[in-house]
Amino acid sequence: KAGVTQTPRYLIKTRGQQVTLSCSPISGHRSVSWYQQTPGQGLQFLFEYFSETQRNKGNFPGRFSGRQFSNSRSEMNVSTLELGDSALYLCASSRDSRNTEAFFGQGTRLTVV
Amino acid sequence: QKEVEQDPGPLSVPEGAIVSLNCTYSNSAFQYFMWYRQYSRKGPELLMYTYSSGNKEDGRFTAQVDKSSKYISLFIRDSQPSDSATYLCAMSSYSIQGAQKLVFGQGTRLTINP
Repeated sequence: KAGVTQTPRYLIKTRGQQVTLSCSPISGHRSVSWYQQTPGQGLQFLFEYFSETQRNKGNFPGRFSGRQFSNSRSEMNVSTLELGDSALYLCASSRDSRNTEAFFGQGTRLTVV
Repeated sequence: QKEVEQDPGPLSVPEGAIVSLNCTYSNSAFQYFMWYRQYSRKGPELLMYTYSSGNKEDGRFTAQVDKSSKYISLFIRDSQPSDSATYLCAMSSYSIQGAQKLVFGQGTRLTINP
């Protein structure tokens, strides 16, 4: 059974650009969550989607957005990139709406220069 | 004060030792408790998941939850060098409106010395 797949694995972008990250959940999982991981702040919740609806949003500026498609695949977008957006972006999928037993992908490491 | 507190370590123990990792939390609504292991430059891997108070064992790993003290633990028996990683506790609550976000501790960096 394939795990959570995130693409791309690495990205280097320039300040002011925008970026789109992709996440394919485990087959049969309908909930997808996104997290930002940095050495200083640890893992911080960005948002969660279930059946194409955003149910939860973390405390991040509006430059961070996401969506989920009918096949449960999800994308997140960051516009007007800042140096502080450099981080490991992790996607997690879970089977049901309880969002327990969340399984993470390998992450996308974004570097903003 | 953070919702979930976890000693970041680093923690270094000899091979074969029993390791105890702990987290405390302040939100009494948390019902689901998880431990993740994260190797360098990898995504977190789910190790253990428990609901409410009690113990759960899986091989060399035992998770304990004490909701009355708002305290959770992960014990690793017969620790191996391959257990060297960062261990993250995470917890969440669930309401009729839907699942809540996972709240993570800072992670404890563990090294098992051969």
